[in-house]
Order: sequence, then C-alpha cells, then structure tokens
Amino acid sequence: AQSVTQLDSQVPVFEEAPVELRCNYSSSVSVYLFWYVQYPNQGLQLLLKYLSGSTLVKGINGFEAEFNKSQTSFHLRKPSVHISDTAEYFCAVSEQNAGNMLTFGGGTRLMVKP
Amino acid sequence: DSGVTQTPKHLITATGQRVTLRCSPRSGDLSVYWYQQSLDQGLQFLIQYYNGEERAKGNILERFSAQQFPDLHSELNLSSLELGDSALYFCASSPSAAEQFFGPGTRLTVL
Repeated sequence: AQSVTQLDSQVPVFEEAPVELRCNYSSSVSVYLFWYVQYPNQGLQLLLKYLSGSTLVKGINGFEAEFNKSQTSFHLRKPSVHISDTAEYFCAVSEQNAGNMLTFGGGTRLMVKP
Repeated sequence: DSGVTQTPKHLITATGQRVTLRCSPRSGDLSVYWYQQSLDQGLQFLIQYYNGEERAKGNILERFSAQQFPDLHSELNLSSLELGDSALYFCASSPSAAEQFFGPGTRLTVL
C-alpha cells in the first residue's frame, strides 16, 4: 500500500518570497502524483499532476513540481507567492492500474504574510 | 467549478440517526469516488463506483454504504451516526485513470 508524507504541517512565508512544500511518498509500484489546493470552506482543486514523461510539471497559478523517483519525492514550488495563495495544500498519490483511488498526505497550510 | 455537485451542503443531525449524501458527477464521467475529511484522520478514501458497480473499498465503516444509480449519480448512506462521523464528505468523479475532480463537499455535524 502507498503512503504520503508532507513534512511540514505549516509554512509561513512573506508575500513575493519563494516557497517549497515538501512531499515524499512510498509505493511498491508505479504511481501517479498530484497536488491539490483547498481554500477555506471549499473543495479540492487540482494544481498539477505527474503521469509520465518530463519530471518537471507546471500547473496553475504559477506552481510547479518536480518528480524525483530516486528520492520518492514530489515537491511543490512557486518562485513568488501572493496573499491569495494562502490555503491548504495536499499531495496525493495513486497506484497505476490499481483502481486509482487517491492516498493523501496530511496537508500543508501555506500562510502568506504581507 | 469542477462540474461535480453535492447535496446538501450542510447537514446537522443527532447521534443514532441515518443520513444520505448525494453526488452528481461531471457529464460523461463513469467513476465516482467518496472521501472523508476529518481533523483526526485527514483525507481518506472511502469507496469507488464505476458505471454502477463497486470497484474499490477503502476505510469505510460497516455502518456506511454507497451506491451508484443508472444515471451515474451516487449516494453515500451513513447510519447509526456517532459524534466521530462529523466530517466533510467529498465526492469526486473521473474521466480516466489519471485525474479526479472534486465536488464542494457536504459538511456533516453529528450532535
């Protein structure tokens, strides 16, 4: 069975600073990887996904993530954050050819300060 | 707007009661997934249906059940409710193996 670890439960950062949200996973088979964002009192919105191919994935709102198979990581980055990026971010994994249900990490609360 | 709808948005009920949560997937999506988000357990997969058939089960309690109807909408039934069942329940639908679109959720409060 797969598992996902988000190493930071909270990340405070000043506006216009860069940010990295860390995600590590474990699985015995090939996986798909995802980052979702949840704004207060809302559902989950897909930021980006890695299915195959290039290990650098670009998503919406200026976010990108890099898949590192040897380190089983999928860290999310943004070069310059805005106040509006304040939200909860979830890393998720699904095992290929195994029903595609998502296993989520515990979430990272990104708090952007002015 | 993901195209996935869930009703009701909020539900307040008492312990021991039974409730039904409803989900309408995006047009054309055959797969429906149910997830529970709680402070204790985080986001957990409950169950998946594909074109009316149960496809996979996760950490779903025996007091909970689900079904998917011929028009592809799905219902999650929660019975003998306990305080610990208070959570956000999300439905997601999927056009393919690789992506899920989430609804806005139903917030269940058990008093």
